[in-house]
Amino acid sequence: QQQVKQSPQSLIVQKGGISIINCAYENTAFDYFPWYQQFPGKGPALLIAIRPDVSEKKEGRFTISFNKSAKQFSLHIMDSQPGDSATYFCAASSVYGNKLVFGAGTILRVKS
Amino acid sequence: NAGVTQTPKFRVLKTGQSMTLLCAQDMNHEYMYWYRQDPGMGLRLIHYSVGEGTTAKGEVPDGYNVSRLKKQNFLLGLESAAPSQTSVYFCASTLGQLSNQPQHFGDGTRLSIL
Repeated sequence: QQQVKQSPQSLIVQKGGISIINCAYENTAFDYFPWYQQFPGKGPALLIAIRPDVSEKKEGRFTISFNKSAKQFSLHIMDSQPGDSATYFCAASSVYGNKLVFGAGTILRVKS
Repeated sequence: NAGVTQTPKFRVLKTGQSMTLLCAQDMNHEYMYWYRQDPGMGLRLIHYSVGEGTTAKGEVPDGYNVSRLKKQNFLLGLESAAPSQTSVYFCASTLGQLSNQPQHFGDGTRLSIL
């Protein structure tokens, strides 16, 4: 049983478009929600993260939107570029213990 | 800094063979993890360690053993490899228990069991 459900499985976006990836969780003990980016042949790397006390966090072209009541969060990539083509994982953990539960991943392809 | 280094990068085994995957980190991190990545399933935690000499089970520990004899190294062992263990294995490390301390990943070991 997957504790963090991620969709879509894959996504194709035109250069300059907006990429949106969604995640949902069930465990109300989760209170830290990072997104990891993984390029082919490499390990995942932290992209951006949010705590549930804010509804949105923006870093450059990347934004996390968080809906605590719906237990959902999403990653928005504005002005998507071919260099953003990668696999994106959402994850969740409780504040202590630093054990991440990952979503299944989304393969993003940005067409130039 | 090398960060997190995994050895080997690729390996092919026959069913029933044993092997050890090595993870080394040079960031003086306390916590270390082993994950497996399979298509459509994300990363799943196999075992983890919260400090030298300690280990704990994760979500999918069966068929694997681990050891953390030195703070900088975390070893993952397969005693009798099975085709179901064909996967990409990632090691990660982090400073400590707070969730906002990011996990740093190695580049993975691609393991095929025939």
